[in-house]
Amino acid sequence: ETGVTQSPTHLIKTRGQQVTLRCSSQSGHNTVSWYQQALGQGPQFIFQYYREEENGRGNFPPRFSGLQFPNYSSELNVNALELDDSALYLCASSISSGGTYEQYFGPGTRLTVT
Amino acid sequence: GEDVEQSLFLSVREGDSSVINCTYTDSSSTYLYWYKQEPGAGLQLLTYIFSNMDMKQDQRLTVLLNKKDKHLSLRIADTQTGDSAIYFCADRTGRRALTFGSGTRLQVQP
Repeated sequence: ETGVTQSPTHLIKTRGQQVTLRCSSQSGHNTVSWYQQALGQGPQFIFQYYREEENGRGNFPPRFSGLQFPNYSSELNVNALELDDSALYLCASSISSGGTYEQYFGPGTRLTVT
Repeated sequence: GEDVEQSLFLSVREGDSSVINCTYTDSSSTYLYWYKQEPGAGLQLLTYIFSNMDMKQDQRLTVLLNKKDKHLSLRIADTQTGDSAIYFCADRTGRRALTFGSGTRLQVQP
């Protein structure tokens, strides 16, 4: 069974640029959630995708957007990057059935905005 | 809004038990989770407990839940140096997103 994978591992961007981060779900999982983890903090929920539709969103501006594909992989796009967007971006996959909704996390993409 | 709080740091000696505490505010929490994060890595799911349970044991891990006080704890028996990491508690309410605490850094001294 393949776990959750994310790419790239690290990324450096300049303020105002746009970035796309990618996530492949664990086999059999149909739901993907994205989190932002600033240094020294716990992860903050950005949004969740289920069956290619956004299924919930945290307190993040519209310049954070996403996609889920038919194979359940996902992308996180951030436009007009700001310095405060520097963080570890975590993707988690889960199965939306059965009740426990255990979320399994990938290793993350570390984004640095200069 | 929802809030999850944890103490920042815990230091124990190898072989002792560690107890990491967490409080949450949302009374509609359905599941509560413990995750472990090692330096430079993602989050590893350790265990979870359903809100109608008081206790769950999984090998060296014991989770205690006091729903009245909204208090959750994780006990690690026979703590090893490999247990050194940051531990996050998280709760989930109806929207299926997780709300995380700021994490407790566990340092295990040999």
